Amino acid sequence: QQQVRQSPQSLTVWEGGTTVLTCSYEDSTFNYFPWYQQFPGEGPALLISILSVSDKKEDGRFTTFFNKREKKLSLHIIDSQPGDSATYFCAASAYDSGYNKLTFGKGTVLLVSP
Amino acid sequence: DAGVTQTPRHEVAEKGQTIILKCEPVSGHNDLFWYRQTKIQGLELLSYFRSKSLMEDGGAFKDRFKAEMLNSSFSTLKIQPTEPKDSAVYLCASSPGLGVGAEQFFGPGTRLTVL
Repeated sequence: QQQVRQSPQSLTVWEGGTTVLTCSYEDSTFNYFPWYQQFPGEGPALLISILSVSDKKEDGRFTTFFNKREKKLSLHIIDSQPGDSATYFCAASAYDSGYNKLTFGKGTVLLVSP
Repeated sequence: DAGVTQTPRHEVAEKGQTIILKCEPVSGHNDLFWYRQTKIQGLELLSYFRSKSLMEDGGAFKDRFKAEMLNSSFSTLKIQPTEPKDSAVYLCASSPGLGVGAEQFFGPGTRLTVL
């Protein structure tokens, strides 16, 4: 059972355009939603995260939105750059017994073309 | 500060061999995770340690996969015996484990190829 669904699987965007990635989840106990960025040959690195008490978090060109009622979240990248080309994972966790076990989506491969 | 270190970066094994992957977490982190990453399945949790105690052992991986945390600064993942379907990238991550939103820091991974 896939608890975190991510779409699209892959995406090509022109340089300067806006990228939108989406995720949905099923477990209503999830309360922490990080997005990770992974370049080839490297491990994932935290890009931005949001808690369920918020509906929006912004960090430079990256903004994540959270909709608790619909159990959906999204990542928007404005002014996309070729250096943003990477695989992006959404994840979710429920604070349980004092640790964050992350459930990951299957990732979106983003290519930003100059 | 040094990040998460994983060795080797690449490993090639024959079917039936035993291989041991190594991980050094960020100094002072309490939580350590082992993941397997494939294109089809994505990131799958293999094991989770908190302060060297095993908290979770991925059910589907129990029979041939064994993770150990020998001390707070070193962990190993043993696969015995290896099978071609084990070919994947194995990632180690550590986290302060201080509550909601505790970031996981990933190592660069070990790419395993089983022939």
